[in-house]
Parts: sequence; C-alpha cells; structure tokens
Amino acid sequence: YDLTQPPSVSVSPGQTATITCSGHKLGDKFVSWYQKRPGQSPLLIIYEDFKRPSGIPERFSGSNSGNTATLTVSGTQAMDEADYFCQAWDGYTEFFGGGTKLTVL
Amino acid sequence: QLQLQESGPGLVKPSETLSLNCTVSGDSLNSDNYYWGWIRQPPGKGLEWIASISYSGSASYNPSLKSRVTISVDTSKNQFSLKVKSVTAADTAVYYCARPLSPFRGSGRLVGPMDVWGQGTTVAVSS
Repeated sequence: YDLTQPPSVSVSPGQTATITCSGHKLGDKFVSWYQKRPGQSPLLIIYEDFKRPSGIPERFSGSNSGNTATLTVSGTQAMDEADYFCQAWDGYTEFFGGGTKLTVL
Repeated sequence: QLQLQESGPGLVKPSETLSLNCTVSGDSLNSDNYYWGWIRQPPGKGLEWIASISYSGSASYNPSLKSRVTISVDTSKNQFSLKVKSVTAADTAVYYCARPLSPFRGSGRLVGPMDVWGQGTTVAVSS
C-alpha cells in the first residue's frame, strides 16, 4: 500500500500550509500525522484523521476523504519547519508516507 | 513518565546480524496489551514500520522484512528486542522503538498511531 506525499511545501510565516497524503481509498482508513525535526524522534500530532493528542496546538488540523488525507497548519510559525509523515494501516501492515519537508520562508 | 531507550551497536558488518534492545522505564511492559514496536528511518528517506510485539509474545511483522527480522520480549527486564539478519547497506538507518497510543482490544488494528518514542539509535552497516 503506497502513501504519496509531496516532497516539499513552502509557506510564509503566519500563512496556512497544506500537506497532502494520497492512497487508494485512503478515506476508508484512519490516518495519523507525525512531525519530525532533525535529530529528534517523531511526534504524533494528528490521529484518527483529525484528533489532536494532548499538548498539540490547535493550529494543526487534519481531514481525510476519498483518496487524500490533508494536514493543515494554520498561522504557521518558524518552529513548525520540519518533516511531516502520514501513517495508515492496510489491514495488516502499518505504512508511512515518504514525508514532506515543510519550509517556513 | 513512560520512557523508551534503544541500545545496540552503532556499526554492523554486511551479512551479519543486527541486534537492538529497547528498555522501558516508567511503566511495565505488561501493564496493558500494547503492541510495542520498531520503526526505522534510512538516511534521507521516510519512516518504515518493522515489527511489533505484545507482552505475551504475539508478534506482527512488515511482510517486506519478515524473512530477516525477529522481534522478542523479555518482561523480566522490561525490554523488547529486534534482530535483523543478513544485513546490507540498505539496513543503515536510525532505529526507533515506540509504543502505540492505544492498547489492542482484541480485534482490528494491532498498532496504530504511536505516541511514545525512544530517542533513536543510529546503525550503520559497513565493513
């Protein structure tokens, strides 16, 4: 099962960044999102398509429909610059997308 | 506070077996039916789920790696382990251990989103 993400997304500070994750009938599965900064462990920021773990800012939101899941970062801050990975389950195996580097210009 | 710590050799020779341990502190491996897992990230690439195991020893493997990978658990040491045999340069990666957000409740998804991660350990495969 393939999860496809754009390699990079750029955004200006304060603007909204949108990162997509595409897969066959992905809307029928639960999608999670992780933030990963260099040298740090992945941080779970969205699970079950749109839920935020405790401590994750409200500017991070998620949606999932059809073949595409979307992570939205509203009011992007410099500290949001990182790699973002989506995750889904095909019924047996956990899969991750290839990752998207978010650059805050 | 739950913490996970990976340990193992930083360098492994091609064709040999890579062995890693993940020590759990702040909670017991058998406190609930979590599927504790291993995930890796090769340099410049994405994350890859390798395998997961419950405290009872029930394991699940990524089919792409299953023939070379063994995951095991030692509840007396509060530790779970990973072995990858016949390694090549493609196994060079940062290896993470992690715990899922929710325990397994008997049906459906064993692992799911992972909210507690170790700091990762870098393994290079080179002669």
